[in-house]
Amino acid sequence: ETGVTQTPRHLVMGMTNKKSLKCEQHLGHNAMYWYKQSAKKPLELMFVYNFKEQTENNSVPSRFSPECPNSSHLFLHLHTLQPEDSALYLCASSAGQGSEQYFGPGTRLTVT
Amino acid sequence: SQKIEQNSEALNIQEGKTATLTCNYTNYSPAYLQWYRQDPGRGPVFLLLIRENEKEKRKERLKVTFDTTLKQSLFHITASQPADSATYLCALVDYGGATNKLIFGTGTLLAVQP
Repeated sequence: ETGVTQTPRHLVMGMTNKKSLKCEQHLGHNAMYWYKQSAKKPLELMFVYNFKEQTENNSVPSRFSPECPNSSHLFLHLHTLQPEDSALYLCASSAGQGSEQYFGPGTRLTVT
Repeated sequence: SQKIEQNSEALNIQEGKTATLTCNYTNYSPAYLQWYRQDPGRGPVFLLLIRENEKEKRKERLKVTFDTTLKQSLFHITASQPADSATYLCALVDYGGATNKLIFGTGTLLAVQP
């Protein structure tokens, strides 16, 4: 394992539910990221946090709401999702922006 | 437009042979390029980073080259093993905007046959 943990590993939710994904890194890194990975598509960067401040929101719909309470923890709050939001959601961290990234195992999300 | 392209087809090779994966980019000027390995249902794992002033980088059975004139990086696995079967992603740093972010290619699926 890489030092980046994510929970839950699998999540099934209805379109009216509210749920949260959690990420924790034990590497002392300052930057944290959320990515979406759908089949046959490249990793899509969603959000970047650097020293707890959001520095990038890659035109992500407001039904995805990130939260970074400190440099070690990152959350992704989900509400009123659509079936096309079903994907693998990956969290990553790095020592600095542009440095090599260390990924968690991901959360496989299914929206029904 | 900006693009990162990797072999779109899966690469099938025999155990013991050298696998060569290609990453081409358009309309980027990266200072360095990274390679990752991803197994099904798991997060990518960082393998190697090569800078623009480095022609070649090696790590055990892995070798990466970076040609900024051709705008291409090649990733080689020598003496390949079935355990090397995975998807390999290249990524470069985009320095545009407020954030230096990694842009990933779609990946190449490598299958090493015993």
